[in-house]
Amino acid sequence: AQSVTQLGSHVSVSEGALVLLRCNYSSSVPPYLFWYVQYPNQGLQLLLKYTSAATLVKGINGFEAEFKKSETSFHLTKPSAHMSDAAEYFCAVSDQGQAAGNKLTFGGGTRVLVKP
Amino acid sequence: DAGITQSPRHKVTETGTPVTLRCHQTENHRYMYWYRQDPGHGLRLIHYSYGVKDTDKGEVSDGYSVSRSKTEDFLLTLESATSSQTSVYFCAISDGQGASQPQHFGDGTRLSIL
Repeated sequence: AQSVTQLGSHVSVSEGALVLLRCNYSSSVPPYLFWYVQYPNQGLQLLLKYTSAATLVKGINGFEAEFKKSETSFHLTKPSAHMSDAAEYFCAVSDQGQAAGNKLTFGGGTRVLVKP
Repeated sequence: DAGITQSPRHKVTETGTPVTLRCHQTENHRYMYWYRQDPGHGLRLIHYSYGVKDTDKGEVSDGYSVSRSKTEDFLLTLESATSSQTSVYFCAISDGQGASQPQHFGDGTRLSIL
């Protein structure tokens, strides 16, 4: 079974500083990978996805993620944090071998606090 | 935003009572999913549906049942609620055209079982 590990359940960054959120997956076959963001009392919103077209993926709100097969990683970055980036972020994987549909396996989430 | 409505948004009930949560979509998507969200666990799949009357179990299906009699509605039932089922429940949908398609989420139902 797939597993997803997000290192650090809480991350604190200063406004304007780099945001780096780590995600590692367990599959030997590269899966499809997703990053979602959740603002308080809301559902999850898709930030970006990797589907093997390019290893560096750009998403909304200035976020990007790089797929590294050798490290089984899909870390999320943003060069300069903004106060509005305070939220919880989830990494998720979808097995390419699924016959139909796309069941997702989620990491435990990383809550980002942005300090002024 | 994807047209997904979850109801109720909040519910408090007692142990042993039946509870039904509803997910309604206006996107005509084939696939629908129920997840629960608990601190430190991210989201875990309870059940999913790949068409009307077609459902299957997810990772944490014990104590839950689902039904889908129409494309647009997916119901999650706790037959006899327990305190361990206190959680935030999310419905998601996707068009299912391959595993690369993202899921779109509703705003969640916060369920407290006392």
